[in-house]
Amino acid sequence: DAGVIQSPRHEVTEMGQEVTLRCKPISGHDYLFWYRQTMMRGLELLIYFNNNVPIDDSGMPEDRFSAKMPNASFSTLKIQPSEPRDSAVYFCASSFDSLNQPQHFGDGTRLSIL
Amino acid sequence: GENVEQHPSTLSVQEGDSAVIKCTYSDSASNYFPWYKQELGKRPQLIIDIRSNVGEKKDQRIAVTLNKTAKHFSLHITETQPEDSAVYFCAASSNTGKLIFGQGTTLQVKP
Repeated sequence: DAGVIQSPRHEVTEMGQEVTLRCKPISGHDYLFWYRQTMMRGLELLIYFNNNVPIDDSGMPEDRFSAKMPNASFSTLKIQPSEPRDSAVYFCASSFDSLNQPQHFGDGTRLSIL
Repeated sequence: GENVEQHPSTLSVQEGDSAVIKCTYSDSASNYFPWYKQELGKRPQLIIDIRSNVGEKKDQRIAVTLNKTAKHFSLHITETQPEDSAVYFCAASSNTGKLIFGQGTTLQVKP
């Protein structure tokens, strides 16, 4: 099993630009989670999906952030327009069943907004 | 709201000593408690987890205990080794599927 696959691994862009982060969950997993990690705020859940449907997006910081899951094997997190304070590591994770099952994390995307 | 407090924030031990990290949670409905290890620049990786119907679980040098009455759980690492050095995160989940993470503990094992 290839695990959760994220791309790109690193992204450096100027403020105001659109940023798209991509995630391929583990095959057969029903849940997909997007997290943001910073030194100041730790690991924050942004949004999660169940069977491609967004369940809870209360962690999405503002309207500049959006996430989609068009099918069971692909999700995107988009920031438009990006700002320097969006710089962080963004992790995608998936789990077979959210009830008492571990979440498996991808390698993350290190995002730097200049 | 849901909250997980983790202590200490940093922990330094000598190789061979034991390390203990403690977490408390606020949501009494939480029933799943995983622990993740994150090495520098890497992804969080599950090292052990416990469910609410179990009080203790052990896997080689790692053990986790759960006290549902007091709403706290702990990670115990025995015979620590330099490769145990990392950031450790506890988390608590409820039936909604969300994982609420603690703030992390940076463990340093000195050779």
